[in-house]
Amino acid sequence: SYELTQPPSVSVSPGQTASITCSGNNLGYKFASWYQQKPGQSPVLVIYQNNKRPSGIPERFSGSNSGNTATLTISGTQAMDEADYYCQAWDSSNYVFGTGTKVTVL
Amino acid sequence: EVQLLESGGGLVQPGGSLRLSCAASGFTFNNYAMSWVRQAPGKGLEWVSVITGSGGNSYYADSVRGRFTISRDNSQNTLYLQMDSLRAEDTAVYYCAKDPSGSYGGPFDYWGQGTLVTVSS
Repeated sequence: SYELTQPPSVSVSPGQTASITCSGNNLGYKFASWYQQKPGQSPVLVIYQNNKRPSGIPERFSGSNSGNTATLTISGTQAMDEADYYCQAWDSSNYVFGTGTKVTVL
Repeated sequence: EVQLLESGGGLVQPGGSLRLSCAASGFTFNNYAMSWVRQAPGKGLEWVSVITGSGGNSYYADSVRGRFTISRDNSQNTLYLQMDSLRAEDTAVYYCAKDPSGSYGGPFDYWGQGTLVTVSS
């Protein structure tokens, strides 16, 4: 079955850039989405179709996808961005989520 | 405003059954595929099942195929998940989530607040 691998944790200072990777076989040939989940809350879509932002998502969130890796970038990270982030793709009639990355804003 | 409201969670013994519901509002329900996604305590997200807008097609994760059944009542704007032969490892918060298309494979653009299912004796 298809797997998406993320680093367990990423730390970033306020105002700096956080990059979260998501690795999967030939992921670049699929559409990648990203979700933000804060403690006790439901996930929120922050990026879809690799690099599109839903309405209401700040411009500091951006995405890319090429080769075997999709990347979520948070520019000018704010304290409110501290959360768990999950990538997701569709493969062989299955939605697949990444293993999740906890972003800590120090 | 899109709203998804899950209900039906609770405590059930191993081998038991439970039916979850998700009441949808704020959009034309039968135009969109809907999924169930679960999250075990302290763990990541796991997709469970999807059904197309018409209800004509559905898919399941290997971990639940043959035990869970997804369905929808478009006249009542409600999504269901019938869960049979429940196991301890099915313990999780179950979310319903909306796809932005009538088919499947897209992202989940809206999520409900979740309902907790606990399988324990």
